[in-house]
Amino acid sequence: GAVVSQHPSWVICKSGTSVKIECRSLDFQATTMFWYRQFPKQSLMLMATSNEGSKATYEQGVEKDKFLINHASLTLSTLTVTSAHPEDSSFYICSARDNTYEQYFGPGTRLTVT
Amino acid sequence: SQQGEEDPQALSIQEGENATMNCSYKTSINNLQWYRQNSGRGLVHLILIRSNEREKHSGRLRVTLDTSKKSSSLLITASRAADTASYFCATPHTDRGSTLGRLYFGRGTQLTVWP
Repeated sequence: GAVVSQHPSWVICKSGTSVKIECRSLDFQATTMFWYRQFPKQSLMLMATSNEGSKATYEQGVEKDKFLINHASLTLSTLTVTSAHPEDSSFYICSARDNTYEQYFGPGTRLTVT
Repeated sequence: SQQGEEDPQALSIQEGENATMNCSYKTSINNLQWYRQNSGRGLVHLILIRSNEREKHSGRLRVTLDTSKKSSSLLITASRAADTASYFCATPHTDRGSTLGRLYFGRGTQLTVWP
C-alpha cells in the first residue's frame, strides 16, 4: 500500500528557533498534501492544504507566516514552524492524496518547544 | 468548528466483546470515513461509507450511516487487545471550491480492550 513518511519523528527545540518537518510520499505522487496538528487526547485539526507548485491554502485561524509550507515536488512537502513557542508544542501529522480519493497519513512528528 | 463528534469519548471492554462507537456530524456529506490511531502514531484508514450507502462491512468492522440523523456508527465485533486505539470519524469539507481531501475529524473514541 501507499506509504507516507515524516521526518523527524520527534524534535525538541528551544523557544524562538525554527523547526522544519518533512512529509514524503514514498511510492506514489501526491499532488496534494495536508497538514494537521493534534493536541493530546484531542482531534486532528486541519492546518493547511499543500498543492505542488503553488501556494498553500491555510485554514482560518492558522498563521501562514508562522507555519510555512513548501510543496516543491510531487513527493515532498515541508512544514516549517518559525520562531517556535511552547504553545506550538503538538503532534503534527501530514497526509497525501493520490489521484484517487485515497488519503494516506504519515506517522506524525511530535514537536516539543522548551 | 469540528464537524464530527464521537460518542463515547472512552470505552473499555473485555476481549471478545463488541465495541460500538458513534459519530454525529452537522452538515450534508457525500461520504464519511473512519480512522484508527494507535497512541502517538499516524492514522490508518479503516473504511469509507458513501452517503447513498446505509451499511458497510469490512472484516470485523461494520459501519452504518443514517443521513437523516446525521450520524454513523462503527461496530467492532469480537474485539481483541490489539484493537486498543483511538477511533475517529472524518467528513470531507464540502464548501464550494474546496480541495478534495480536506477532512473534519471528530474528537475520537479511545477504545481499550482488556485481554
